[in-house]
Amino acid sequence: DGGITQSPKYLFRKEGQNVTLSCEQNLNHDAMYWYRQDPGQGLRLIYYSQIVNDFQKGDIAEGYSVSREKKESFPLTVTSAQKNPTAFYLCASSIGPGSQPQHFGDGTRLSIL
Amino acid sequence: GENVEQHPSTLSVQEGDSAVIKCTYSDSASNYFPWYKQELGKRPQLIIDIRSNVGEKKDQRIAVTLNKTAKHFSLHITETQPEDSAVYFCAASGGGATNKLIFGTGTLLAVQP
Repeated sequence: DGGITQSPKYLFRKEGQNVTLSCEQNLNHDAMYWYRQDPGQGLRLIYYSQIVNDFQKGDIAEGYSVSREKKESFPLTVTSAQKNPTAFYLCASSIGPGSQPQHFGDGTRLSIL
Repeated sequence: GENVEQHPSTLSVQEGDSAVIKCTYSDSASNYFPWYKQELGKRPQLIIDIRSNVGEKKDQRIAVTLNKTAKHFSLHITETQPEDSAVYFCAASGGGATNKLIFGTGTLLAVQP
């Protein structure tokens, strides 16, 4: 089945630690996105990538980093600089840039130990 | 900056009644408006979308209307069923060549049997 796979489903971070969330898609989509979801709020864009080896900051990029070395993969690193990382993280992809439907993975729930 | 406002934040209806959720957007360049349904702990799923060259779109019990002049769009669900209970998010594209979506804060719909 084609789709977007996020792992792990649950992740715990210690103080001062960097953690990496995985996002893989086999939909042959060019564009990929990372969102953060907090209770009572909508999805906020962290980073997005319209093509391999290129990515741009979203609205809340501070404390996060990404890479896009392969079309299928768009990992997100939550660095120790992100002081409030507890949230539900969603990865999405779309066939290309422009106004196209975005399809989401199942998410990773990150908590602080 | 770009903003999407969504109302109401919670909505309770009796099974069989209709439900309406409204969103307004600030960027007049927005040209794509998707609606997502998210069940507890799961991924957002695209249920319907509309582009700025269309005023209304319908898919079985779900319809979306768009008023570009007033910069608002609405989701209409008829003959509601308990399985329609979920959080619904509207979104508006940022316009231009990117596919940044600006999300509303969500509406928790509860359909009482």
